Amino acid sequence: DTGVSQNPRHKITKRGQNVTFRCDPISEHNRLYWYRQTLGQGPEFLTYFQNEAQLEKSRLLSDRFSAERPKGSFSTLEIQRTEQGDSAMYLCASSLVSGDKKNTEAFFGQGTRLTVV
Amino acid sequence: ELKVEQNPLFLSMQEGKNYTIYCNYSTTSDRLYWYRQDPGKSLESLFVLLSNGAVKQEGRLMASLDTKARLSTLHITAAVHDLSATYFCAVDIPPGTYKYIFGTGTRLKVLA
Repeated sequence: DTGVSQNPRHKITKRGQNVTFRCDPISEHNRLYWYRQTLGQGPEFLTYFQNEAQLEKSRLLSDRFSAERPKGSFSTLEIQRTEQGDSAMYLCASSLVSGDKKNTEAFFGQGTRLTVV
Repeated sequence: ELKVEQNPLFLSMQEGKNYTIYCNYSTTSDRLYWYRQDPGKSLESLFVLLSNGAVKQEGRLMASLDTKARLSTLHITAAVHDLSATYFCAVDIPPGTYKYIFGTGTRLKVLA
């Protein structure tokens, strides 16, 4: 296992188009997180899953954003009707939180950089 | 609202010098995380501090945590150019969820 994998690494889209990003977490990690990072800022929490259940959504996640983790493995983040303000790096992370088996941190993927033109 | 603040925001320093980055947070937490980010890249974990008084060192970097003061420090000893990057601290609320609240970041530039 080589870590958290995100695809695509870069995406350029026209305003108004829909985009979808994929995140493959580290095997056996039951928690998966999405963050957004705009230029010059720290990452901001968007949402997270435990297995297939979406446990929390930030108020940053407008109704144009939807995230899924249908089988508790990979996750997708879709943005509908993209706006220029959606341009950012979208980061995915995963961790194991299960009884006695716990990581001490979450592990981040390489991110997907979205540019809306 | 939980706030995580770092200072300085920008730091330019000469090679061989020492400096400290500060991270203050506004809620009780017994754990804190430090990450490094190179331009256009993702986050690299540096330190995980899991209790009051925790101190960890790796190479020229040393991190500490004072949960009573809600303060963590990242000390750089004898800086080298390769340490140039942006450094973030983060807390997770609730603790152990890894739902991070990141600080504002400190952009470090080490001049040769």
